[in-house]
Amino acid sequence: ETGVTQTPRHLVMGMTNKKSLKCEQHLGHNAMYWYKQSAKKPLELMFVYSLEERVENNSVPSRFSPECPNSSHLFLHLHTLQPEDSALYLCASSPWRGGTLTDTQYFGPGTRLTVL
Amino acid sequence: DQQVKQNSPSLSVQEGRISILNCDYTNSMFDYFLWYKKYPAEGPTFLISISSIKDKNEDGRFTVFLNKSAKHLSLHIVPSQPGDSAVYFCAASGGIQGAQKLVFGQGTRLTINP
Repeated sequence: ETGVTQTPRHLVMGMTNKKSLKCEQHLGHNAMYWYKQSAKKPLELMFVYSLEERVENNSVPSRFSPECPNSSHLFLHLHTLQPEDSALYLCASSPWRGGTLTDTQYFGPGTRLTVL
Repeated sequence: DQQVKQNSPSLSVQEGRISILNCDYTNSMFDYFLWYKKYPAEGPTFLISISSIKDKNEDGRFTVFLNKSAKHLSLHIVPSQPGDSAVYFCAASGGIQGAQKLVFGQGTRLTINP
């Protein structure tokens, strides 16, 4: 069983569309993350949720709106995106153990987003 | 300003030989380092990690070395196998309460030639 799943795997949308990306983790983790990977650039952290509360927002434009209804699910709502938002969007999760630095993040396969 | 750098975008190694992937960082607050491996159409997969209190961590064919004074870490794969062909990402963390903020390098594409 895949620990972290993402749907859809591919998405093409127009600039006026509204869509949502979904992430689900089956690992019992308490922290979830959204990353963006553009061509030839490092993975960029977008949002971090710990125990369902957002603890980090790396100055992401408001056209990206995250939602974490519970510790197993994470959404990224998209509206009025720009062509430069085309990228691979990766979800990850990790266990929370009160500040320990030894935890790793487990990634989903990503959603390849194309904005026309 | 990029805090984690992988200066070699690609590396080609013959099967059976040692592969050495390098990573440099600038933030002295980083105290945990990881290597991830990524195949096409898949998300990154955790490979090996090292805490700043150590200078070496070994797991089978994979060894990570950390040189804190030089702010440099490297991943050694020996012997290299064709299945090791992938993109390798170095990541570093300074840690925040309750979650881990990773800063990634750009990646190095490793190709193992038969």
